[in-house]
Amino acid sequence: DAGITQSPRHKVTETGTPVTLRCHQTENHRYMYWYRQDPGHGLRLIHYSYGVKDTDKGEVSDGYSVSRSKTEDFLLTLESATSSQTSVYFCAISAGSGSSTGELFFGEGSRLTVL
Amino acid sequence: AQSVTQLGSHVSVSEGALVLLRCNYSSSVPPYLFWYVQYPNQGLQLLLKYTTGATLVKGINGFEAEFKKSETSFHLTKPSAHMSDAAEYFCAVMPNTGTASKLTFGTGTRLQVTL
Repeated sequence: DAGITQSPRHKVTETGTPVTLRCHQTENHRYMYWYRQDPGHGLRLIHYSYGVKDTDKGEVSDGYSVSRSKTEDFLLTLESATSSQTSVYFCAISAGSGSSTGELFFGEGSRLTVL
Repeated sequence: AQSVTQLGSHVSVSEGALVLLRCNYSSSVPPYLFWYVQYPNQGLQLLLKYTTGATLVKGINGFEAEFKKSETSFHLTKPSAHMSDAAEYFCAVMPNTGTASKLTFGTGTRLQVTL
């Protein structure tokens, strides 16, 4: 199994509070991604990173920010959580070259509930 | 831009019966296509992928899929369902350019296998 650890795995918070989810990898992969999974929507890309301090937006980036200060860590921050951000968040990584293109390795997910 | 449509959010088959999960895609450039599987309370894992070359691709656990450009389809099949195949299956697409694996996922099909 790919070495991807997400923390926390479960979190309940209140509207308006800041939340940070952490993704840690031990594979030294260049690319890291944050997706959210919601019923009827599948997985949607929030942000991704293509290197230390290099990040870009996905299709549902509003209300989220990310940071990557080290190759192994990719943080997702909700500055002021809203109920619409209640979801399961998945981190994924990819090597992004050659035959591995497109193959994502996923963490086990972080379930966030915003009351 | 690219998108995928998975026909049927739930599919139920008997153990030993044919499994057919449908996926149609839309892409402005030649696509890479994928099927991922998600078991309960886990992240997604790659079943198979089409990038170039042979249009019939074989994956893990006896699954295969055929890329049909004329029909813009990439349906997933397995000749004989097993109880352990019960899971949610996601079709995904990405453009065949660049190295970041920015996949666009379908909404998923939950496969139920009955005795």
